[in-house]
Amino acid sequence: EAGVAQSPRYKIIEKRQSVAFWCNPISGHATLYWYQQILGQGPKLLIQFQNNGVVDDSQLPKDRFSAERLKGVDSTLKIQPAKLEDSAVYLCASSFRDRSTDTQYFGPGTRLTVL
Amino acid sequence: AQTVTQSQPEMSVQEAETVTLSCTYDTSESDYYLFWYKQPPSRQMILVIRQEAYKQQNATENRFSVNFQKAAKSFSLKISDSQLGDAAMYFCAYNLEYGNKLVFGAGTILRVKS
Repeated sequence: EAGVAQSPRYKIIEKRQSVAFWCNPISGHATLYWYQQILGQGPKLLIQFQNNGVVDDSQLPKDRFSAERLKGVDSTLKIQPAKLEDSAVYLCASSFRDRSTDTQYFGPGTRLTVL
Repeated sequence: AQTVTQSQPEMSVQEAETVTLSCTYDTSESDYYLFWYKQPPSRQMILVIRQEAYKQQNATENRFSVNFQKAAKSFSLKISDSQLGDAAMYFCAYNLEYGNKLVFGAGTILRVKS
C-alpha cells in the first residue's frame, strides 16, 4: 500500500513570495490533515478535511494561508505572501475516517525556508 | 486549554538498555486517546503505540510499553533493549474521542549510544 505522498520535499523562497505544497493521501482515506511543525516544536494542526469539506481550520492563518481538496482526494496548501515565521516543515497526514480509532499516517513533509 | 508537556528535551541511552520518556497532558475530557509517535531524521512520523483512556491496562508493542496514570494525567514511554534505530525525536500526543485532531508535545530527542 502506497503511503502519503508530498511534494516538494524542500522549498526555499524569499519573503512575500508565494508557495504551494501538494499532498496525495493513502487511497480510500476520507480524512486529510495539514500540520505545521516549527523547528523545536511539535506539529500543530492547520486544517482538516473530511472528503472535500473543511472540518477544522481554526488554526489556519486565513489572511495568507489557503487549502483545498477539490475532488476529495489530493490537496494543495498555499501561502501567499510568505513571512519569515512561516519557515517550518509542513506535514500532510490522512486517516480512513475522522474517528480517534483511525490511525493518522503521515507523509515525509515539505521543509520550507523563507529568507 | 488542551496541552501536552514533555519535560525532557533530550535523553540518551546505551544500546540494549532501557529508557523512559515522560509525558503529561491536560484535558477536561474523560474519553480520549494517547499516542507516542517517532520522527527520525527523514521526518516521517511513525506511530509507535496507542492507549485508549478508558482502558486500565497499559499498552505494549514489542519493546515499547507505556505507563498510563489517568488520575495523574501521565503517559510515559518505556523502550526496552534499545537499538540504534530507535534514535529519533519522540512526540507524545492525544486526541479526543471525536474529530481525530492530534495535539502534540514539543518532543524528546532520544540518542542511542553504541
